[in-house]
Amino acid sequence: DAKTTQPNSMESNEEEPVHLPCNHSTISGTDYIHWYRQLPSQGPEYVIHGLTSNVNNRMASLAIAEDRKSSTLILHRATLRDAAVYYCILRDESGGGADGLTFGKGTHLIIQP
Amino acid sequence: AAGVIQSPRHLIKEKRETATLKCYPIPRHDTVYWYQQGPGQDPQFLISFYEKMQSDKGSIPDRFSAQQFSDYHSELNMSSLELGDSALYFCASSLRVRTGLNTEAFFGQGTRLTVV
Repeated sequence: DAKTTQPNSMESNEEEPVHLPCNHSTISGTDYIHWYRQLPSQGPEYVIHGLTSNVNNRMASLAIAEDRKSSTLILHRATLRDAAVYYCILRDESGGGADGLTFGKGTHLIIQP
Repeated sequence: AAGVIQSPRHLIKEKRETATLKCYPIPRHDTVYWYQQGPGQDPQFLISFYEKMQSDKGSIPDRFSAQQFSDYHSELNMSSLELGDSALYFCASSLRVRTGLNTEAFFGQGTRLTVV
């Protein structure tokens, strides 16, 4: 699987937007960009995923660069419950790729009240 | 909504003993994954099953084996336990839609294994 690079940690204030960047310069055409997060003492939780176009769901938005070599997860209004480690993961979904998710180092998001 | 159920939640074993972890996927999900997360580490993929057949293999030690049963539940069997096997073990499940693409994975709460 292609590699992703994320900042080790980020800090934001409650009720403000948060932009979490991810670089994936070696992304292939069949790689989807997935984001998961892991709250303390819990299993990872799916956040969002996309291929080329920007995506929105009830949890977040995903902005994908035109060349697909980077993406940004956007939390529109962070709450204390959003404090977690956020993982940006590339997943080959061409049908012949690996099934398992390859978790990198992730970004530890700290939310200040 | 039903989630992924793992049992037991906590397990303490001695070195060289055997442990079996169980995972019950979300109803109608056909794919199961196992992950290991050591203290202060990120989750590491071990193995996955689709329709009871091994689908993908990650960094699973030879001392570990797993299988998926006809009711889609899965078991991870760990033998000759070592101190380094102490970790959180997560199971996840997903539904592979007809196009063959995997959708998002839903994770259980994990089993905390402590080897003493």
